[in-house]
Amino acid sequence: SYELTQPLSVSVALGQTARITCGGNNIGSKNVHWYQQKPGQAPVLVIYSDSNRPSGIPERFSGSNSGNTATLTISRAQAGDEADYYCQVWDSSLVVFGGGTKLTVL
Amino acid sequence: EVQLVESGGGLVKPGGSLRLSCAASGFTLSSFAMNWVRQAPGKGLEWVSSISSSSSYIYYADSVKGRFTISRDNAKNSLYLQMNSLRAEDTAVYYCARGNYYDPFDYWGQGTLVTVSS
Repeated sequence: SYELTQPLSVSVALGQTARITCGGNNIGSKNVHWYQQKPGQAPVLVIYSDSNRPSGIPERFSGSNSGNTATLTISRAQAGDEADYYCQVWDSSLVVFGGGTKLTVL
Repeated sequence: EVQLVESGGGLVKPGGSLRLSCAASGFTLSSFAMNWVRQAPGKGLEWVSSISSSSSYIYYADSVKGRFTISRDNAKNSLYLQMNSLRAEDTAVYYCARGNYYDPFDYWGQGTLVTVSS
């Protein structure tokens, strides 16, 4: 079965750029979606199909996908960006989530 | 405004059953595939099951196959998850989420907690 690997945690200084990776075999050939989840809340879609932002998501959120790694980039990180982030792909009609990355804004 | 509201969670003994519901509003349910995703306490997201718009295609995670049944009633704007032979490891918040195959899950409910314990 297909697996997605994320770092358990990423730290970023306030106002700096955070990068969260999602590794998978030839993930560049798949569409990757990213979700943000804050404590006690449902996940929220922040990037879809590798690099597209849903309405209402700040331009500070961007994504890329190539080879074996997809990356969620958060520019000018704010305290409100502190959350868990999950990548997700579809694989043969099944859904796969990464294990999640806790982003800490210092 | 798109809304998904789950209900039916609660405390159940191992081996017991529970039926979750998800009430959809603000969009035409019959135009979208729907999904169940769960999250065990302190853990990550785990996909459970998906059902196509007309119920023609249904998929399950291996962890629930043979025990859980997803269904929908488009006329009632509702999605369901029948959970049988429940185990302690099924304890989780269960979310319903809208998303066609290969599309993202663009709307999620607030979740309903299922606790399996004696």
